[in-house]
Amino acid sequence: GAVVSQHPSWVICKSGTSVKIECRSLDFQATTMFWYRQFPKQSLMLMATSNEGSKATYEQGVEKDKFLINHASLTLSTLTVTSAHPEDSSFYICSARETRGTLQYFGAGTRLSVL
Amino acid sequence: GEDVEQSLFLSVREGDSSVINCTYTDSSSTYLYWYKQEPGAGLQLLTYIFSNMDMKQDQRLTVLLNKKDKHLSLRIADTQTGDSAIYFCAEILPYSSASKIIFGSGTRLSIRP
Repeated sequence: GAVVSQHPSWVICKSGTSVKIECRSLDFQATTMFWYRQFPKQSLMLMATSNEGSKATYEQGVEKDKFLINHASLTLSTLTVTSAHPEDSSFYICSARETRGTLQYFGAGTRLSVL
Repeated sequence: GEDVEQSLFLSVREGDSSVINCTYTDSSSTYLYWYKQEPGAGLQLLTYIFSNMDMKQDQRLTVLLNKKDKHLSLRIADTQTGDSAIYFCAEILPYSSASKIIFGSGTRLSIRP
């Protein structure tokens, strides 16, 4: 199946710093990418939908200035957690949908720990 | 409304079949998916079924879809310890660039010897 690469897989940072997470579709083009957050033992919570070349669409309750999303190419989307605080610690997962399909593939996730 | 429901836990003996059930509410779903998540990892697309199909089989996996009852199931034959994971049922509504996958809460499958 198609591969989505997410980097880094684990990051520890100090409170107040910003962290960037990359999501790449390796062998297909993805006009649309998604960013999810997953709390322990819970399902995925959609944070935002990222469309190449346009502004991301954020779900209700997600601060767009806190979670900056850039989808500059058909194979790369980035999520930047700005001025991270301990409550931002979580597992973040990206997903990419094939431009010419409906299948959606997921990255391996990034575990963010903010001290 | 959009809602996907699953039971939270399932325990089966190694070698037996596992059946994970899911119900959904939106009858306009076009695709229904099963994803597997191992501890600390992302989601792996296991299989999917298009809404005009009743059944799909892929090696040890069998997906059954009952559109009338809006019920989806995943059967894993000859369950192995490597099948221990959380299994998410998901649906996608009629395709558009804005359409989103709706996930169930996930079923944690544990295997006992």
